[in-house]
Amino acid sequence: EAQVTQNPRYLITVTGKKLTVTCSQNMNHEYMSWYRQDPGLGLRQIYYSMNVEVTDKGDVPEGYKVSRKEKRNFPLILESPSPNQTSLYFCASRGGSLNYGYTFGSGTRLTVV
Amino acid sequence: GQQLNQSPQSMFIQEGEDVSMNCTSSSIFNTWLWYKQDPGEGPVLLIALYKAGELTSNGRLTAQFGITRKDSFLNISASIPSDVGIYFCAGYDRGGSGNTGKLIFGQGTTLQVKP
Repeated sequence: EAQVTQNPRYLITVTGKKLTVTCSQNMNHEYMSWYRQDPGLGLRQIYYSMNVEVTDKGDVPEGYKVSRKEKRNFPLILESPSPNQTSLYFCASRGGSLNYGYTFGSGTRLTVV
Repeated sequence: GQQLNQSPQSMFIQEGEDVSMNCTSSSIFNTWLWYKQDPGEGPVLLIALYKAGELTSNGRLTAQFGITRKDSFLNISASIPSDVGIYFCAGYDRGGSGNTGKLIFGQGTTLQVKP
């Protein structure tokens, strides 16, 4: 089944403790992206990648890092999480320019205390 | 960066009613997408629009790409309880050629349907 898989689904952590949220897609998509969703703000893009080793900032990249060493994986790294990074996170992927719609994962709910 | 303003923020309607929501931008987009998010899930693409003036249907859903390229509309006819969810408009930043990965979302319209 074609899908975007992100783990974990739920995570509670403490301020300052580094964490990684994994994301993997099995559709051979070139583009991958991370979003965070907060009430009243919709989905805001954190980072995106257009291919292996090619990444760029979205609208809210501060406090996050990403890497794209393989086409299928696009992990999101929080080096020193803070409470304002408590949010619902989505990973997404899509194909090339003739296929504009991102396919989303099921989300990771992160709480930083 | 570019922003999308979506309205209304929420709607509470009776089953069987038609629904309209819209999305506007201060700058031009070349692609408009409409997504639906069910509770506890990620957004799912409903309709994609690629040309100004384009009108596209998907079952009871109809979406239009505004002539000015600064707005888009989504209509749902004869709503049913499973239409409940959050509807998002989205567009690609900086001309939306499709070669950019930067997809911007509106704030969402929360739809509740009373049986």
